[in-house]
Amino acid sequence: ETGVTQTPRHLVMGMTNKKSLKCEQHLGHNAMYWYKQSAKKPLELMFVYNFKEQTENNSVPSRFSPECPNSSHLFLHLHTLQPEDSALYLCASSQAGPSGGNQETQYFGPGTRLLVL
Amino acid sequence: DQQVKQNSPSLSVQEGRISILNCDYTNSMFDYFLWYKKYPAEGPTFLISISSIKDKNEDGRFTVFLNKSAKHLSLHIVPSQPGDSAVYFCAARATNFGNEKLTFGTGTRLTIIP
Repeated sequence: ETGVTQTPRHLVMGMTNKKSLKCEQHLGHNAMYWYKQSAKKPLELMFVYNFKEQTENNSVPSRFSPECPNSSHLFLHLHTLQPEDSALYLCASSQAGPSGGNQETQYFGPGTRLLVL
Repeated sequence: DQQVKQNSPSLSVQEGRISILNCDYTNSMFDYFLWYKKYPAEGPTFLISISSIKDKNEDGRFTVFLNKSAKHLSLHIVPSQPGDSAVYFCAARATNFGNEKLTFGTGTRLTIIP
């Protein structure tokens, strides 16, 4: 496969469930991102990983827990979510520069459509 | 407070005519701007970008114009084609600080009428 892939594409979960979203990039990038897209709102950056280290956590509730085991894989672990967490969750990757700053375009996966009941 | 604004949620244009999508920003530290295109059930795909040292960047049918004094950028698509029907997101970044964070607008849904 090429590009950025995400699984599952759709997920329905109850508020007491625990689930994980998976992202994999095949582009040789070293930076990965989680975004949330809610209806009629801009894409919201949740987490950034550069060289497997988390460099940004955008005030995301602790019920969302990211994991980056290597530069190609990124997970988002979900537990005790709320209905307002229902959204499209997008993963992206890019190539970070030597100083950690990113001069390159971000490439997005297709997203996971999450519904919390 | 939204730092990147796309004030038109939707736009309809006749096939063959010019589509103009607008974007305004408030943060004067932004110096790199991107347009992404999104089809239903797919993630955003990069379309075109512009650095603040330029006022125009062209790639085939797509041209982005940047007016720094007005903190405004626009995407021109000419001629518009049915396959251009999608949601277009404007994004901005302050790259001078090594900040990889992109700030997105809410998007404009473009519909090309055959």
